[in-house]
Amino acid sequence: SQQGEEDPQALSIQEGENATMNCSYKTSINNLQWYRQNSGRGLVHLILIRSNEREKHSGRLRVTLDTSKKSSSLLITASRAADTASYFCATRGSGNTGKLIFGQGTTLQVKP
Amino acid sequence: NAGVTQTPKFQVLKTGQSMTLQCAQDMNHEYMSWYRQDPGMGLRLIHYSVGAGITDQGEVPNGYNVSRSTTEDFPLRLLSAAPSQTSVYFCASSSLVGQGTHEQYFGPGTRLTVT
Repeated sequence: SQQGEEDPQALSIQEGENATMNCSYKTSINNLQWYRQNSGRGLVHLILIRSNEREKHSGRLRVTLDTSKKSSSLLITASRAADTASYFCATRGSGNTGKLIFGQGTTLQVKP
Repeated sequence: NAGVTQTPKFQVLKTGQSMTLQCAQDMNHEYMSWYRQDPGMGLRLIHYSVGAGITDQGEVPNGYNVSRSTTEDFPLRLLSAAPSQTSVYFCASSSLVGQGTHEQYFGPGTRLTVT
């Protein structure tokens, strides 16, 4: 079964609003990463947060990590129509095996 | 740098046929992996490799073989195609050393249909 589960599965908001997506995972991790996928395309890396970090920012993105709850959230502020895409969390396990396991993703629609 | 390249982009196979999906990267990455993406299932890891000569199974390895004879190449072989293997396949690579982001770079994908 997949390591990560994301919530919600789908999210529809108006341009300018904030979008929050959540990810839960099952085993201990080295880091957690968020990716974006536009329809029909490959995935693009957005941000990485290490297991010893609690919060990280990159532009309009804010990621939090709670290792005690085995969960992470991705916040996109002031969303734009161009943010419409699927967003996936992925976890890299501790022990440096390198294996990166993805969640099922959240589909975000931002209406202009 | 070309990044991660995959061939072919599209492929149609008949049940029972075999084929190899090609993947190459020119970033000297240690880690390479194959995923399949099905509607509503996200990406599922098929096989991965942490260096030349080293491969390991992911979440859904049955029906697929891999080898890693060089750092650059990581081909995925379908031994006897089945309709259940109809999917979009992504190859990806990343560095594993140092304090970098270790972000994974994805190829453009191969859309495979098995009839």
